[in-house]
Amino acid sequence: RKEVEQDPGPFNVPEGATVAFNCTYSNSASQSFFWYRQDCRKEPKLLMSVYSSGNEDGRFTAQLNRASQYISLLIRDSKLSDSATYLCVVNMRPAGANNLFFGTGTRLTVIP
Amino acid sequence: GAGVSQSPSNKVTEKGKDVELRCDPISGHTALYWYRQSLGQGLEFLIYFQGNSAPDKSGLPSDRFSAERTGGSVSTLTIQRTQQEDSAVYLCASSKRLAGGLQYFGPGTRLTVT
Repeated sequence: RKEVEQDPGPFNVPEGATVAFNCTYSNSASQSFFWYRQDCRKEPKLLMSVYSSGNEDGRFTAQLNRASQYISLLIRDSKLSDSATYLCVVNMRPAGANNLFFGTGTRLTVIP
Repeated sequence: GAGVSQSPSNKVTEKGKDVELRCDPISGHTALYWYRQSLGQGLEFLIYFQGNSAPDKSGLPSDRFSAERTGGSVSTLTIQRTQQEDSAVYLCASSKRLAGGLQYFGPGTRLTVT
């Protein structure tokens, strides 16, 4: 089983739609969680960290469910510019570069 | 300020040749990471440098891969006797310290081994 698993998609949604991605992780001792965004043929960029209490940044909401070992990303009012691949990242114990695991990403296409 | 830079942006090489990939981290970032991303795959951790400590080489896939970081800044990833399966995008990232997931990535070097 992979440390981090994501539905690869693609998710094709119309502008203005709400879309949600889930990511599951295998290690219950995982301690920090992130969503990165990667545009086609570009480098990943941090979108947001995921806190235990859930957090929101504009149209984006991230949540963590430790009991079920998944994190989610909700995008409201989708824009064309949201089209990208969204990577789930999990840092497992002990925190370290070799304990940071990236999912393969979920591809989102927002359609006019 | 300037972000992480990498060179070359693209490299095509023949099987069996050696290649060097360069990374310039963000000034003041003590931690530097190398990853590899193959088509349709997640990022694969290769090696990590933190300040003057010995690097964490646990992710290097074979002894053909090595990396150096000179003066705590610029890093070079060397792949000897390249194989076709080495073809991938090699990404470098830096962070202020061992910051877990809070990393800043460079644009990557796309390596193609023919």
